[in-house]
Amino acid sequence: KAGVTQTPRYLIKTRGQQVTLSCSPISGHRSVSWYQQTPGQGLQFLFEYFSETQRNKGNFPGRFSGRQFSNSRSEMNVSTLELGDSALYLCASSLPEQYFGPGTRLTVT
Amino acid sequence: AQKVTQAQTEISVVEKEDVTLDCVYETRDTTYYLFWYKQPPSGELVFLIRRNSFDEQNEISGRYSWNFQKSTSSFNFTITASQVVDSAVYFCALSEAGGYQKVTFGTGTKLQVIP
Repeated sequence: KAGVTQTPRYLIKTRGQQVTLSCSPISGHRSVSWYQQTPGQGLQFLFEYFSETQRNKGNFPGRFSGRQFSNSRSEMNVSTLELGDSALYLCASSLPEQYFGPGTRLTVT
Repeated sequence: AQKVTQAQTEISVVEKEDVTLDCVYETRDTTYYLFWYKQPPSGELVFLIRRNSFDEQNEISGRYSWNFQKSTSSFNFTITASQVVDSAVYFCALSEAGGYQKVTFGTGTKLQVIP
């Protein structure tokens, strides 16, 4: 079975721009979660989707949003980027144990 | 609120030594899951083990073993005869049961195995 894939792997954006990250879960997995990982804050839960519905949300501002499509693929969007949004964004599909993708490294300049 | 504490920030051991990574958790839920993940330098988090709150049996998988004690809210991870390939950051995590995947991670323990 193919693992979780995330695109792009690396991204450089300018402050104020917006960005969309994509995640394809393992085939058959319907739950997709997103996390932000930074050296200072560690791994923080962003949100979780199941069957196109957001079931859980972490404590992030409204600039962070997501969605899930009928094929379980998920996208995460960050609008009005700030320098502090520079991080590794990880996507996981789950069973309940979570299988993580390689992440998207976002750098905001 | 859920909380996971990994008090050991960094540990260095010489190859073939045994090492235990500590994890203490807090939750008000009576049903929950505990996990350990490994994050090697490549960055991808690798699932190691899941344990639910009703199963306090210790588990051994090769050189890895886990000790779950509800009485002390701990879920410790031991690597026996450590190898250089074990060098990574290890995360303990907790989630409520019921299918909702809001997982709380500890801050991680960086393990360096010196040859």
